[in-house]
Amino acid sequence: GEDVEQSLFLSVREGDSSVINCTYTDSSSTYLYWYKQEPGAGLQLLTYIFSNMDMKQDQRLTVLLNKKDKHLSLRIADTQTGDSAIYFCAENHQAGTALIFGKGTTLSVSS
Amino acid sequence: KAGVTQTPRYLIKTRGQQVTLSCSPISGHRSVSWYQQTPGQGLQFLFEYFSETQRNKGNFPGRFSGRQFSNSRSEMNVSTLELGDSALYLCASKDGSVTGELFFGEGSRLTVL
Repeated sequence: GEDVEQSLFLSVREGDSSVINCTYTDSSSTYLYWYKQEPGAGLQLLTYIFSNMDMKQDQRLTVLLNKKDKHLSLRIADTQTGDSAIYFCAENHQAGTALIFGKGTTLSVSS
Repeated sequence: KAGVTQTPRYLIKTRGQQVTLSCSPISGHRSVSWYQQTPGQGLQFLFEYFSETQRNKGNFPGRFSGRQFSNSRSEMNVSTLELGDSALYLCASKDGSVTGELFFGEGSRLTVL
């Protein structure tokens, strides 16, 4: 079956690292994605990782993929108040099919 | 390049009415997908159109329909509106790249009274 699960809330202090976790059920997923949604806006693609990779780094963002456990994480280094948003992970288990999204993790950053 | 454009951004309807939402994809993108976002259910896939053909369909009743035009612009229609149809409707487009990432518009927020 297809299901993507995330914890609903994460609260951190400015300057700390944030780690947002996601689990998925479809082991045939080829790409996994992280999207960010700010209030009143659509979803913005942050990064994606191919399923044969363990890690991908892009400036303050680090994505870790544990394919055996079907676990994906997004680490944001030096978290800023502007990082406060909802973060969605998504999987695309087969080319030509719809992306399946988790329900999103609300990240709250306090100064 | 301009991003994905959705119109209208906000609208209010009453139960029983129908609504049409419009989406213009990024230039060159031939695939358009629609998602419904609600606080309780999160993002739920409605349908995807590619080259004027529905390629994928989610688990929504027949009141929800869509179409795509030859210029890749897409519309979705909801007939006989119910209170539960109140949501943010998001449109997304993608090109033919193997990475398959979606590029989203800012959404159309529908309120049904």
